[in-house]
Amino acid sequence: AQKVTQAQTEISVVEKEDVTLDCVYETRDTTYYLFWYKQPPSGELVFLIRRNSFDEQNEISGRYSWNFQKSTSSFNFTITASQVVDSAVYFCALIGSDSGYALNFGKGTSLLVTP
Amino acid sequence: NAGVTQTPKFRVLKTGQSMTLLCAQDMNHEYMYWYRQDPGMGLRLIHYSVGEGTTAKGEVPDGYNVSRLKKQNFLLGLESAAPSQTSVYFCASSYSDRGGDQPQHFGDGTRLSIL
Repeated sequence: AQKVTQAQTEISVVEKEDVTLDCVYETRDTTYYLFWYKQPPSGELVFLIRRNSFDEQNEISGRYSWNFQKSTSSFNFTITASQVVDSAVYFCALIGSDSGYALNFGKGTSLLVTP
Repeated sequence: NAGVTQTPKFRVLKTGQSMTLLCAQDMNHEYMYWYRQDPGMGLRLIHYSVGEGTTAKGEVPDGYNVSRLKKQNFLLGLESAAPSQTSVYFCASSYSDRGGDQPQHFGDGTRLSIL
């Protein structure tokens, strides 16, 4: 069985602060894939990143960075110099080998960035 | 490019009524999924399909039926709607040749209220 835990339900920061969203996962698969999705107030799901279990290299994309650590089963997401437009719900998700490669989502972290 | 289109976008039903949600994709994807999103619960898999004519149950299938008569369409049916089925429903699709190593493409969601 797969499980994704996002312990932070809500986070509130002031613009320009850095913020890290935590994601811890459980799986028995040796091959799996980790994702982050963003859901802005408009409601659509926006794909941010995909990582496979064999690639622990951290990734940076503009103000976004991701830290994947298999030793702690974590895939954390950091936003540097946050902006109001970053306000959204962020979901961490995992794909293993079951359920036709369906996504197993965490419960999400609601991020509010205030001016 | 339409991508994944969900119909309708909003619907209000009375308890006991039936309805069908339509998901259509124009990317020739083999895999299709129905998820529901409830506050504080993330997205949970209802049913999925790995190809035309095939369907399977996900995490929360009770009260729903699905059909995949055509490769591009995946229908989600509620035979007798219940207030507990008030939710936002998302459809997604993906190719089969890379397993989990690809992002799923999501529709914009259907907001369903059962009174």
